[in-house]
Amino acid sequence: SQQGEEDPQALSIQEGENATMNCSYKTSINNLQWYRQNSGRGLVHLILIRSNEREKHSGRLRVTLDTSKKSSSLLITASRAADTASYFCATDENSGYALNFGKGTSLLVTP
Amino acid sequence: DSGVTQTPKHLITATGQRVTLRCSPRSGDLSVYWYQQSLDQGLQFLIQYYNGEERAKGNILERFSAQQFPDLHSELNLSSLELGDSALYFCASSTSRGGGANVLTFGAGSRLTVL
Repeated sequence: SQQGEEDPQALSIQEGENATMNCSYKTSINNLQWYRQNSGRGLVHLILIRSNEREKHSGRLRVTLDTSKKSSSLLITASRAADTASYFCATDENSGYALNFGKGTSLLVTP
Repeated sequence: DSGVTQTPKHLITATGQRVTLRCSPRSGDLSVYWYQQSLDQGLQFLIQYYNGEERAKGNILERFSAQQFPDLHSELNLSSLELGDSALYFCASSTSRGGGANVLTFGAGSRLTVL
């Protein structure tokens, strides 16, 4: 079942701008992950943040996690056209085994 | 190339038919997961196998079944196909049996079109 919900559903920005997308979930988690999907292709893991972490960085990516609000955000700084993709958050709530994905945020970065 | 191989890439079939999707996990990964992605439902977890045994079940229909073989490849069988089964089916693998920091590596997917 889907537990993570991304917001906004779609986001359009220009190259060089920052992109922020949010994820909310419903129950307690061990960790939260973000994945990217280029059109019609497989998902690629971007970053994982554990429930006892508040912020994590990887290159131009910054992820925050607020377990009290059951929410996370993904910030992509200085966006490039190649960042155009759908971004999904995934949590391990409920089953504890498989990851539950939201419906994703579709990001369009125009030159 | 993620190391997870899915075949076929595309499949077109008729309602009522049966198809088999195949997945070879990344070398060293013991867990295989199947997901269905459709426009209206997003990415839905179907089923997970770990080292040949079923580990977790999600929203998998009774018309669907899966198994993982001793060589760790997995097959997803879809029968009595309906128009609504048209979707992208992804296989993913991981080293973990699940839980904890379970990072998935996805294949490129099999696109099923039911006419």
